[in-house]
Amino acid sequence: AQSVTQPDIHITVSEGASLELRCNYSYGATPYLFWYVQSPGQGLQLLLKYFSGDTLVQGIKGFEAEFKRSQSSFNLRKPSVHWSDAAEYFCAVVQTGANNLFFGTGTRLTVIP
Amino acid sequence: EAQVTQNPRYLITVTGKKLTVTCSQNMNHEYMSWYRQDPGLGLRQIYYSMNVEVTDKGDVPEGYKVSRKEKRNFPLILESPSPNQTSLYFCASSLSAGYYGYTFGSGTRLTVV
Repeated sequence: AQSVTQPDIHITVSEGASLELRCNYSYGATPYLFWYVQSPGQGLQLLLKYFSGDTLVQGIKGFEAEFKRSQSSFNLRKPSVHWSDAAEYFCAVVQTGANNLFFGTGTRLTVIP
Repeated sequence: EAQVTQNPRYLITVTGKKLTVTCSQNMNHEYMSWYRQDPGLGLRQIYYSMNVEVTDKGDVPEGYKVSRKEKRNFPLILESPSPNQTSLYFCASSLSAGYYGYTFGSGTRLTVV
C-alpha cells in the first residue's frame, strides 16, 4: 500500500530565508504527486503537481518541488519565504489506476520576522 | 467562480442526533470525495464518488453515509454521531479521480458532545 511521510511536524524559518519541506512516498511505480497548502481556517489549495516529465516542477506563490525517484522524495522548496507563507503544507500521492488521494500528516510552517 | 461549497461551516451537535453536511460543486466534476482532518493524522478519506449513483468507501467510512443523486451534490450523513466524529471535514471534487488535483471546500468543523 502506498504511504506518504512528512518527517517534519513543525518548521520555523525567518522571513527571507530559504525553505525546504520534505516528503517521501512509498510506492512501486511512479505516482502522481501533489503539494497542497492550508492557511488557517481555510480549505486546501493546490500548489503544484507532478505527473511525469521534467522532475522539477514550478507551482504557484513561488514554490517549486523536485521529484527524485532514487530517493522516493518530492520535496517542496522556496528560495525566500514571506510571512504570508505561514500555513500547513501537505504532500499527497495518488497511484495509477486508484481513486484515492493519500495525504501526509502535514508540516506546519511558522515564519518569524 | 469555480468552487466547492460546504454547509454549515461550524456545527455543534449532541450524540445520536442525525445530521447532514452538504457539499455542492459548480465545475461539472465527476469525482467527489469527503475527508476528515485530525491533528497529527492529516487528511483521511471517508467516502468518494466516481459519478452519479456511484459511491465507494475510503479509509475511514464507519459511522458515515453518502449519496450522489445529482452530479453537483455529495452530502455527508452522520446517522448517529458520536464524540469520536468530532473533526474538521472537507469536501473535494476533481475532473477525474485524483489525477488533476482536487478543489476543496472551506471545511466544516463538527463538534459532537
